[in-house]
Amino acid sequence: EDQVTQSPEALRLQEGESSSLNCSYTVSGLRGLFWYRQDPGKGPEFLFTLYSAGEEKEKERLKATLTKKESFLHITAPKPEDSATYLCAVQGTGANSKLTFGKGITLSVRP
Amino acid sequence: DAGVTQSPTHLIKTRGQHVTLRCSPISGHKSVSWYQQVLGQGPQFIFQYYEKEERGRGNFPDRFSARQFPNYSSELNVNALLLGDSALYLCASSLRTGNTYGYTFGSGTRLTVV
Repeated sequence: EDQVTQSPEALRLQEGESSSLNCSYTVSGLRGLFWYRQDPGKGPEFLFTLYSAGEEKEKERLKATLTKKESFLHITAPKPEDSATYLCAVQGTGANSKLTFGKGITLSVRP
Repeated sequence: DAGVTQSPTHLIKTRGQHVTLRCSPISGHKSVSWYQQVLGQGPQFIFQYYEKEERGRGNFPDRFSARQFPNYSSELNVNALLLGDSALYLCASSLRTGNTYGYTFGSGTRLTVV
């Protein structure tokens, strides 16, 4: 069964203080690893898809990387508007294409 | 360009009642998936439909059912509601099943069972 573990559960940063969010996964054949951002009371907002180990993608202050066992979401010089819950999910090569999510990491950025 | 539309946004039901949640996917998207997100947890897969056929089912009881219509919209039905069914129900649409283009989620329906 596919599994995703995210750490830490919560992270508090000062504005401008860079950090990384971790996503460890086990999956029987990786079709894709997804990062989403979720604001309170809203649906997840798509950030990145990574397909194979060694791949990296960037978007503004965010950079996602992937190895065979984990993914990192690096946040460079965060701003208060980056405060949200960040969800990691994997899609395996099984019969259905469901996403298996971690519990998420709640990021708070103080001005 | 409309995103994924879910209705209603909020709903309060009594234990034992039945509820129907609705989802309209992005125009051109033929696959709809349903997820349940309990407070403090990540979304959990309930169903996936593609071209009106069920393509996947998560570990949920038979009280949960769904269907997809010819216009690709979808309904999620939950019978005999329990307090534990209180959650944010999310609908996600994608072009087709099995792809990795990314799933676009709606804003969800917040269901409270009292």
